[in-house]
Amino acid sequence: ILNVEQSPQSLHVQEGDSTNFTCSFPSSNFYALHWYRWETAKSPEALFVMTLNGDEKKKGRISATLNTKEGYSYLYIKGSQPEDSATYLCALPGGGADGLTFGKGTHLIIQP
Amino acid sequence: EPEVTQTPSHQVTQMGQEVILRCVPISNHLYFYWYRQILGQKVEFLVSFYNNEISEKSEIFDDQFSVERPDGSNFTLKIRSTKLEDSAMYFCASSVIKDRDSPLHFGNGTRLTVT
Repeated sequence: ILNVEQSPQSLHVQEGDSTNFTCSFPSSNFYALHWYRWETAKSPEALFVMTLNGDEKKKGRISATLNTKEGYSYLYIKGSQPEDSATYLCALPGGGADGLTFGKGTHLIIQP
Repeated sequence: EPEVTQTPSHQVTQMGQEVILRCVPISNHLYFYWYRQILGQKVEFLVSFYNNEISEKSEIFDDQFSVERPDGSNFTLKIRSTKLEDSAMYFCASSVIKDRDSPLHFGNGTRLTVT
């Protein structure tokens, strides 16, 4: 069983502030890591697929880093806006079956 | 931008009844998936489908579940005899290539309530 942990579970951030949160995973047998943003009443939307240790990916104000040796990825949001309010999901392939194993997500609320 | 569509958005059914959840994946995608999220729990993989057959399935996907691509565009999940614990949000997803390397494109989900 693949254990994917995300922290914190929820986060309140003031509009304009920057923030980050973590996805932890077993460092052995790493293949890839996915980040998704899931807004209420919408479908989860892919942000990044990361495969290389030390990789950093960026999409607008959102960026992610990956450390496969120690088993973590950080997601950063710079200058948070209300539209960033969502649940951010981390997922990895593996865990005994095809398909992705998801973490529980970090629920981000941006307060105006 | 092309998207995955799911119907219905909400389905209420009685325990023991059969339900069919429908999905139309993105047209040039080759891999199709069903995931579910029971309220308050993690999103869980159910099954993947490629080349008109099941590629992989999880322990959750027992004999009560089946998938089909009846007409080359729809992708359906059938639960033969629903149980209370099948109540969840069911997501269909598709990808161009295998999900290890490719982001999944999810539908908006079907909320299944079994009473």
